[in-house]
Amino acid sequence: NAGVTQTPKFQVLKTGQSMTLQCAQDMNHNSMYWYRQDPGMGLRLIYYSASEGTTDKGEVPNGYNVSRLNKREFSLRLESAAPSQTSVYFCASSQDRVFTEAFFGQGTRLTVV
Amino acid sequence: DAKTTQPTSMDCAEGRAANLPCNHSTISGNEYVYWYRQIHSQGPQYIIHGLKNNETNEMASLIITEDRKSSTLILPHATLRDTAVYYCIVRKRTGNQFYFGTGTSLTVIP
Repeated sequence: NAGVTQTPKFQVLKTGQSMTLQCAQDMNHNSMYWYRQDPGMGLRLIYYSASEGTTDKGEVPNGYNVSRLNKREFSLRLESAAPSQTSVYFCASSQDRVFTEAFFGQGTRLTVV
Repeated sequence: DAKTTQPTSMDCAEGRAANLPCNHSTISGNEYVYWYRQIHSQGPQYIIHGLKNNETNEMASLIITEDRKSSTLILPHATLRDTAVYYCIVRKRTGNQFYFGTGTSLTVIP
């Protein structure tokens, strides 16, 4: 039972490079999320997807794009990476019932130099 | 979303109860209180949630005041493995986004 799987676990990019962070869940959840966590700070929501085919901005969407490829997969793309995007990125999923809880992946550590 | 306020850090002796407070004075009538924790650099882990009544599960108890403006997470017998950052979250009324604050860093001392 894998839960939420993120790839890659670590990545170093040069400023201006692009990359896509992948996330997949096997719990048949409708909702998926991308968060970033900077040192000494809590998690901040970047984008979320309430269902397949829909996406919405969170607190800090600038510099990112997302794609809900299907019910299982939700990817996060950095078109032109900047040092300010150095962070740990977490993907999460949840069912859309009232008493839902979110399940998180193990994170992707991204460094932009 | 209702904003939450938590102490930045707390210590607790191993084996004693850890009581983590959270203020959410602007909570709406049908918003739930959720607690998550993050151990070291792992992804956050769900602990418990509640609406009005007190709740208990195998991990913790959640006490919500009658006016719902604050709550307390109780770890009844803290162990060293409970050292983590604990987040109190009020779930948005519509949709299902989870907004995290900076949480309380709990250190369990041997």
